[in-house]
Amino acid sequence: QVQLVESGGGVVQPGRSLRLSCATSGFILSSYDMHWVRQAPGKGLDWVAGMSFEGDTKYYSESVKGRFTISRDISKSTLYLQMNSLIPEDTALYYCARDRCSGGTCDYFDYWGQGTLITVSS
Amino acid sequence: IVMTQSPATLSVSPGERVTLSCRASQSVSSDLAWYQQKPGQTPRLLIYGASTRATGIPARFGGSGSATEFTLTISTLQSEDFAVYYCQQYSNRPLTFGGGTKVEI
Repeated sequence: QVQLVESGGGVVQPGRSLRLSCATSGFILSSYDMHWVRQAPGKGLDWVAGMSFEGDTKYYSESVKGRFTISRDISKSTLYLQMNSLIPEDTALYYCARDRCSGGTCDYFDYWGQGTLITVSS
Repeated sequence: IVMTQSPATLSVSPGERVTLSCRASQSVSSDLAWYQQKPGQTPRLLIYGASTRATGIPARFGGSGSATEFTLTISTLQSEDFAVYYCQQYSNRPLTFGGGTKVEI
């Protein structure tokens, strides 16, 4: 069965960096576009970043462009989100999510991890 | 593209028919998905392509609309349907979600 397990969250000071991981199983990571979506406490969903299944296209929301980097390690079946220059507005539960379409791009999500919480505070 | 959902909260009773609205600031064709999120749970894909139910989604959930106006209908509300519902456009990047509609008792 498909599983997505995020890790790496915690409390971090403004301006610092953090790397999130999403360990995947039950499917071939290199066959699916993958995404990060966040949800601030008590708020709605906010798409953050996406990566094509080929690994050659990465795209970001305006609010994180230039600060966050999405990547993956196929050999470890793991997706990453490198988060630099963190600001309080980045405080949220970060989900990794799988694109519904195999070998293509749908840009909507059929499997989600349980999320990892990032709190940016001094 | 800004997605606007209405109402923000809907108070209903089990057995009722429920209609949720989602409006896009520009046309997204039929590139619209709906998700359900229950408290403490991850979002669940309900509808994509504006009207196609995802795998395992009961027939009481229906989606309609195109361009800028979309609707999610729950024909007969069950107790397990009390949740927050989000629409998401995938016509253009960045991908964007609506603010959600909370369906409560």
